[in-house]
Amino acid sequence: RKEVEQDPGPFNVPEGATVAFNCTYSNSASQSFFWYRQDCRKEPKLLMSVYSSGNEDGRFTAQLNRASQYISLLIRDSKLSDSATYLCVVNGGSGNTGKLIFGQGTTLQVKP
Amino acid sequence: DGGITQSPKYLFRKEGQNVTLSCEQNLNHDAMYWYRQDPGQGLRLIYYSQIVNDFQKGDIAEGYSVSREKKESFPLTVTSAQKNPTAFYLCASSAGWKEKLFFGSGTQLSVL
Repeated sequence: RKEVEQDPGPFNVPEGATVAFNCTYSNSASQSFFWYRQDCRKEPKLLMSVYSSGNEDGRFTAQLNRASQYISLLIRDSKLSDSATYLCVVNGGSGNTGKLIFGQGTTLQVKP
Repeated sequence: DGGITQSPKYLFRKEGQNVTLSCEQNLNHDAMYWYRQDPGQGLRLIYYSQIVNDFQKGDIAEGYSVSREKKESFPLTVTSAQKNPTAFYLCASSAGWKEKLFFGSGTQLSVL
């Protein structure tokens, strides 16, 4: 089983749709969780950190489910500009060797 | 303006040649990382450094070398032992091992 796993998609949705991605992780000791956005041939950029209580930033909502070991990203009212690859990032575990591990990414295409 | 700078943006390597990718940050971050990304794939960790004069191998260190003589700088050398070096290379830094990453704009390395 991969340490961090995402459905690669692509997810093709119309403008205005609501879309959700999940990401599962294997290490129950993981403590830090992030969603990054990556446009084609560009560097990843932090979209949002994921907190235990869940958090929202405008049209984006992130949630953490420790019992089932997954995080989710919900995008409401999708815009054409949301088309990108969304990377789930999890730290590998406790201690100072718990480096961040990336999922392979989920591709979102928002169509007019 | 604080940030992380990678150079060059594009680099070409001849057979049997070593090439060095530059990464500099002025964010005062202790931790620095090198990732490799192949088309349609996630990021894979090559090397990371949590403090000056110390670094550890990541998941795909073979054929690569690094140094961390200064806090601000973490150059990556792609040696002739790396038989499949064509990829997009990303440098990142963070304040600590479980903190969010800040990325440089990447270097696309190709083989002539």
